[in-house]
Amino acid sequence: DTGVSQDPRHKITKRGQNVTFRCDPISEHNRLYWYRQTLGQGPEFLTYFQNEAQLEKSRLLSDRFSAERPKGSFSTLEIQRTEQGDSAMYLCASSSGRLEAFFGQGTRLTVV
Amino acid sequence: AQSVTQLGSHVSVSEGALVLLRCNYSSSVPPYLFWYVQYPNQGLQLLLKYTTGATLVKGINGFEAEFKKSETSFHLTKPSAHMSDAAEYFCARKGGSEKLVFGKGTKLTVNP
Repeated sequence: DTGVSQDPRHKITKRGQNVTFRCDPISEHNRLYWYRQTLGQGPEFLTYFQNEAQLEKSRLLSDRFSAERPKGSFSTLEIQRTEQGDSAMYLCASSSGRLEAFFGQGTRLTVV
Repeated sequence: AQSVTQLGSHVSVSEGALVLLRCNYSSSVPPYLFWYVQYPNQGLQLLLKYTTGATLVKGINGFEAEFKKSETSFHLTKPSAHMSDAAEYFCARKGGSEKLVFGKGTKLTVNP
């Protein structure tokens, strides 16, 4: 069990560019979550997958954001036309359907 | 809206002193409650969780929390602080949805 893996750990991009992040959950976990954490705040829920189905999305997930989980394994989160307000830590978590979720180390995005 | 409130964004204690981090929740039904710890530039690690049953919950690293329904509280304690406990702590709830709702966090400083 290698835990939840996220790639890259850090990303610096220019405003207006597109970025994509990857999350590899714990192998037997069928639930996968994305959260966003800004400085001085707790994580905020973005979206949730059960297997390959995206079952819940937050209002925070504007039309510039899209998440996928093909084949119910890894997931990607894409942000199009990045804005400075998108700068944050993007956290991925997975669970097996039990209550607790296990988090990855996050991808820190800086938009300049 | 169902929420989590952490009283005190910063708490400072001396090494060996009692740690008390406060968390109150609002919920129309008893929620599932969690405490997570986050070290700088890292993801979140689960310390403990309350689901049902015993209201005093023991977690890792000597931490424990007590669920008090009458006070809608789930405060985190540790009898004796260690330097390695310095981190940010997040209280979270889950209820009626798959998503975790987090408080804003409390940064714990441990002084030698």
